[in-house]
Amino acid sequence: QQQVKQSPQSLIVQKGGISIINCAYENTAFDYFPWYQQFPGKGPALLIAIRPDVSEKKEGRFTISFNKSAKQFSLHIMDSQPGDSATYFCAATIQGAQKLVFGQGTRLTINP
Amino acid sequence: KAGVTQTPRYLIKTRGQQVTLSCSPISGHRSVSWYQQTPGQGLQFLFEYFSETQRNKGNFPGRFSGRQFSNSRSEMNVSTLELGDSALYLCASSLGASGSQQYFGPGTRLTVT
Repeated sequence: QQQVKQSPQSLIVQKGGISIINCAYENTAFDYFPWYQQFPGKGPALLIAIRPDVSEKKEGRFTISFNKSAKQFSLHIMDSQPGDSATYFCAATIQGAQKLVFGQGTRLTINP
Repeated sequence: KAGVTQTPRYLIKTRGQQVTLSCSPISGHRSVSWYQQTPGQGLQFLFEYFSETQRNKGNFPGRFSGRQFSNSRSEMNVSTLELGDSALYLCASSLGASGSQQYFGPGTRLTVT
């Protein structure tokens, strides 16, 4: 029940295209869903996060879509750039618990 | 503000030894969490400390322990190292209040031979 399932494992997108990464969770107690971006040799960096009382959140080129009834959420990267090439992790937690449950990660490559 | 710092960045140890890793959180942050990152298991939560008290614990054996000092700096210790403990150990700090974001350090790469 603590799992977060993430797909795809790897993704190749052309520059200017839309990158889409999907996650699904089981624990209905989760109420905070962040996405992290990790470059080689670095720690994960918070990209964008959403709470289940909204269905979509947009920050610049990054958008989270959230479907509470399906227990799914996704990250959309618009106008993908080579600098977006990194590993992306979705996560879930119960607010205040400070215990993030991570998806397995998606290695994103943006071809120039 | 300076980010989360972790020392050392790289470490090589032998099976059976023990190791101590250190984490200095962002100034003003009172919560420190530790995660283990491996290619096979991904990112897994180890434990979280807030105001020198362990608030949450993940599913790891008792060989993994931690503590937090009054200045919020934290250390984690792994005793009787096994080959499978080779991983990137990440520390994350946050204000510790409900809904506060976690900021990760660069990690300590531990190799057990």
